[in-house]
Amino acid sequence: SQTIHQWPATLVQPVGSPLSLECTVEGTSNPNLYWYRQAAGRGLQLLFYSVGIGQISSEVPQNLSASRPQDRQFILSSKKLLLSDSGFYLCAWDKYGYTFGSGTRLTVV
Amino acid sequence: AQSVTQPDIHITVSEGASLELRCNYSYGATPYLFWYVQSPGQGLQLLLKYFSGDTLVQGIKGFEAEFKRSQSSFNLRKPSVHWSDAAEYFCAVVPQGAQKLVFGQGTRLTINP
Repeated sequence: SQTIHQWPATLVQPVGSPLSLECTVEGTSNPNLYWYRQAAGRGLQLLFYSVGIGQISSEVPQNLSASRPQDRQFILSSKKLLLSDSGFYLCAWDKYGYTFGSGTRLTVV
Repeated sequence: AQSVTQPDIHITVSEGASLELRCNYSYGATPYLFWYVQSPGQGLQLLLKYFSGDTLVQGIKGFEAEFKRSQSSFNLRKPSVHWSDAAEYFCAVVPQGAQKLVFGQGTRLTINP
């Protein structure tokens, strides 16, 4: 069966520190992968999507970046976090429909 | 501008009452349509989706949605809500020719006992 894993579930990081969130999928090959962010009390905003290894499309300018080093791995990174980076980050994959991971709640302090 | 609109930010209904959550979209061609539910602090669970065919779509947890092309709407309904239905509900679309899911702002559902 197809599953999606995201970790960590919760993260508290100081301003200016780096970030790495990882997402992996199982049971499928060559999926489209997505990173969404949900700020407190707001809807979901698409940050990045990838249709293949090394292929990243950015939807909004920001100090975050994404990478896809392997077919089923999608990483969200930052060199220096800002307070405004706080939020709930969701990874999703799509081949025959969109399935979301359980999310990472990031608090930048 | 192309968008997905959920007009109701917050809805409160009594347990056992019927529910309808509204969703409208503004795209030239009919997009693929989805409804997701998010419990507090959790990820998103797909309730149902519409690609083509029968305009009344049955989903999980007793939910259904009806696609109305003339109104550019895809409203979510449930005949009788349960306390466990309290959550945030998101309408989402994939525009034709695109590969990304675009979300509405969400509707928070509160259930009164």
